[in-house]
Amino acid sequence: KAGVTQTPRYLIKTRGQQVTLSCSPISGHRSVSWYQQTPGQGLQFLFEYFSETQRNKGNFPGRFSGRQFSNSRSEMNVSTLELGDSALYLCASSFSFGQPQHFGDGTRLSIL
Amino acid sequence: GQQLNQSPQSMFIQEGEDVSMNCTSSSIFNTWLWYKQDPGEGPVLLIALYKAGELTSNGRLTAQFGITRKDSFLNISASIPSDVGIYFCAGYTNTGTASKLTFGTGTRLQVTL
Repeated sequence: KAGVTQTPRYLIKTRGQQVTLSCSPISGHRSVSWYQQTPGQGLQFLFEYFSETQRNKGNFPGRFSGRQFSNSRSEMNVSTLELGDSALYLCASSFSFGQPQHFGDGTRLSIL
Repeated sequence: GQQLNQSPQSMFIQEGEDVSMNCTSSSIFNTWLWYKQDPGEGPVLLIALYKAGELTSNGRLTAQFGITRKDSFLNISASIPSDVGIYFCAGYTNTGTASKLTFGTGTRLQVTL
């Protein structure tokens, strides 16, 4: 059974640019959540999508956005990149609310 | 953002020893999860706990959901070198129409032969 797939694995951008990250959940999973991991702040919740609707949102600025498609695949977008956005971005999927979340290996974003 | 208090922050133990780590929160959670993360990879689910007081095992791993629903602990028995990694607890908030994980600060485990 394929796990959660995130692309790309690594990305280098410069300040002011925008970036789009992709996540394909485990087959049959309808809930997709995104997390940011940094050495200073640890793992922080960004948002959750279910049935193409954002169901929950963490404490991040509006530059961080996402969407979910009808096949449950999800994308995350960050606009006007800042140095502090350098992080590992992790996607997790679950069958539904309250079900254990399974993580992909993340996209490591570096901002120069 | 909120993080759960996890201790110890790091541990350096010998192969064969038992390990214990715990996680505390000021908030109540419906579910507690424990994950392990290796370098360059995402967290891997180890154990899920759904009821206060629940004690669950997965091989050499044993975890408990605290009675107050504000804490959890993870024990690893007879540690081996592949146990090296960072262990995270996570409290799961689920309203039925939305959910999110709040993670602990992590326990870095290093095992020597």
